[in-house]
Amino acid sequence: AQTVTQSQPEMSVQEAETVTLSCTYDTSENNYYLFWYKQPPSRQMILVIRQEAYKQQNATENRFSVNFQKAAKSFSLKISDSQLGDTAMYFCAFGMNTGNQFYFGTGTSLTVIP
Amino acid sequence: NAGVTQTPKFQVLKTGQSMTLQCAQDMNHEYMSWYRQDPGMGLRLIHYSVGAGITDQGEVPNGYNVSRSTTEDFPLRLLSAAPSQTSVYFCASSRATNEKLFFGSGTQLSVL
Repeated sequence: AQTVTQSQPEMSVQEAETVTLSCTYDTSENNYYLFWYKQPPSRQMILVIRQEAYKQQNATENRFSVNFQKAAKSFSLKISDSQLGDTAMYFCAFGMNTGNQFYFGTGTSLTVIP
Repeated sequence: NAGVTQTPKFQVLKTGQSMTLQCAQDMNHEYMSWYRQDPGMGLRLIHYSVGAGITDQGEVPNGYNVSRSTTEDFPLRLLSAAPSQTSVYFCASSRATNEKLFFGSGTQLSVL
């Protein structure tokens, strides 16, 4: 079975600063995918970034980047130049290569302080 | 495109009542799934489907039934609601395995 662990239930960051959210996972699979989703108070789920396990290069999307350490089974999200709109719950997710099964962490509630 | 449409947005049930949460997508996605979100527990997979006529159980399937008669629709049925099923339910679809998930807006369900 796959498990995803987010050990930081709550975090805060000053506007314009950088923050890193942690995620670890456990799997015996070799080919898989990792995601970070954002859930603002509106409850909408928004994809932030996606990483393919077979790619060594870390994914980046504008102010969002990941540090993917496959051997350590770690997948952290770095948010640079934090903005008030980044205030949300962030979920790390693990996706199997087949079967449409995704496993989510328990989430990190991020507050950006003006 | 409407994307993934879930109805209703809110629902209150009494213990033992049955109901169906509706989910429809207009993106011709083969893959659809249902999740429940509970405080401190993230999203947990209830059931999923990899195409019309094909469904399978996820992490927490007990108390829920699904069917997939068309590519567009993937309803979730609660046969006899229990207070433990109080949760926010999300339907999601994707074009392929491990592609981006498109989520519906969620259903807040309370079982009294």
